[in-house]
Amino acid sequence: DVKVTQSSRYLVKRTGEKVFLECVQDMDHENMFWYRQDPGLGLRLIYFSYDVKMKEKGDIPEGYSVSREKKERFSLILESASTNQTSMYLCASSLYSAGTQYFGPGTRLTVL
Amino acid sequence: QQQVKQSPQSLIVQKGGIPIINCAYENTAFDYFPWYQQFPGKGPALLIAIRPDVSEKKEGRFTISFNKSAKQFSLHIMDSQPGDSATYFCAASGGGSNYKLTFGKGTLLTVNP
Repeated sequence: DVKVTQSSRYLVKRTGEKVFLECVQDMDHENMFWYRQDPGLGLRLIYFSYDVKMKEKGDIPEGYSVSREKKERFSLILESASTNQTSMYLCASSLYSAGTQYFGPGTRLTVL
Repeated sequence: QQQVKQSPQSLIVQKGGIPIINCAYENTAFDYFPWYQQFPGKGPALLIAIRPDVSEKKEGRFTISFNKSAKQFSLHIMDSQPGDSATYFCAASGGGSNYKLTFGKGTLLTVNP
């Protein structure tokens, strides 16, 4: 079974804090993705990575950065959290570029 | 911007009914159309997917119908059960953005007993 784990299920941070969201997959997948999910807006891609140290911007990268130092781990960084970044964050991985994406359980981030 | 438009936003049916969720896309280069199912507190999970060389695909009670000329595809759930209550997302990928799935905004399905 493919497993994608995220470091926290719930996180509360203050405006201006630096926030790290961690994602680990155990299936040796090449591709990893970060999405945010908001009611009525669906899933929006923030960043993705198709190889170690490689990254590409998704549809809404502003205010975020990512890091992929090891194949199994993909981190999302909020350099200075703002209240409009309160959301559910979902990590996913896939073996093939356009193949099935396997999602983690999500991290619900609240920025006060 | 590449878009996938999904409707309805929410849907309520009785047990045994056949809910239908529709999606329309613009980019004719899309060549992979998956549906994801998400239960509360969980991440989305792949339910069924289709490529444009077929017009219909069935897996158990779930069927995708695909109309290439109309650039539309839909999900039908036969004999729906309360356990099917979830949010359903259609998506598409292909062409110049092979890595990316473009998702619809989701449909919240409620199946009443």
